[in-house]
Amino acid sequence: EAGVAQSPRYKIIEKRQSVAFWCNPISGHATLYWYQQILGQGPKLLIQFQNNGVVDDSQLPKDRFSAERLKGVDSTLKIQPAKLEDSAVYLCASSFPGTSPLHFGNGTRLTVT
Amino acid sequence: ILNVEQSPQSLHVQEGDSTNFTCSFPSSNFYALHWYRWETAKSPEALFVMTLNGDEKKKGRISATLNTKEGYSYLYIKGSQPEDSATYLCAFLFNDMRFGAGTRLTVKP
Repeated sequence: EAGVAQSPRYKIIEKRQSVAFWCNPISGHATLYWYQQILGQGPKLLIQFQNNGVVDDSQLPKDRFSAERLKGVDSTLKIQPAKLEDSAVYLCASSFPGTSPLHFGNGTRLTVT
Repeated sequence: ILNVEQSPQSLHVQEGDSTNFTCSFPSSNFYALHWYRWETAKSPEALFVMTLNGDEKKKGRISATLNTKEGYSYLYIKGSQPEDSATYLCAFLFNDMRFGAGTRLTVKP
């Protein structure tokens, strides 16, 4: 089966610029996650979708981050405006609902200068 | 906030050594505990999904145990090989999937 697709793989922007990441989950996976992984820390959940509805976005900095999953398939995560502390790897994952394992994409490494 | 703690933070072993890591999590309202392996330049890969107290899972030289009453899981690697070098993440499923910071394992030939 095709895996979780993410793009771009790398992105370098200046602070106060905007950036968008794209994720296409594994076909049939209703649950989609966006995680932020800062160097030396574990992945931090930003937002979880079930189909096109938001299950949890309690840790999403909503003043600058937004995410959508129109049609319940692929998803985009946007940061506007970016700050230096947003430099991280952004991981997208998908799974079947419940306790099923997560399948991760290769991630986007964002550097904000 | 439900924290997942992993120890040690990093580990260096010689090829052939056996090793183990610990993941501790809040023991109440438990749904599942996941272990993932994350190799450099790759995406995290699921190793085990554990749901029952006393669960033991095994995949080749890697095994894991689960104690939901006391809130911990152990991951064991028998006869470590250089290709086992990776960051091992555990994740606790409650309302959402919360990850620990991981244990970074380096196996020296």
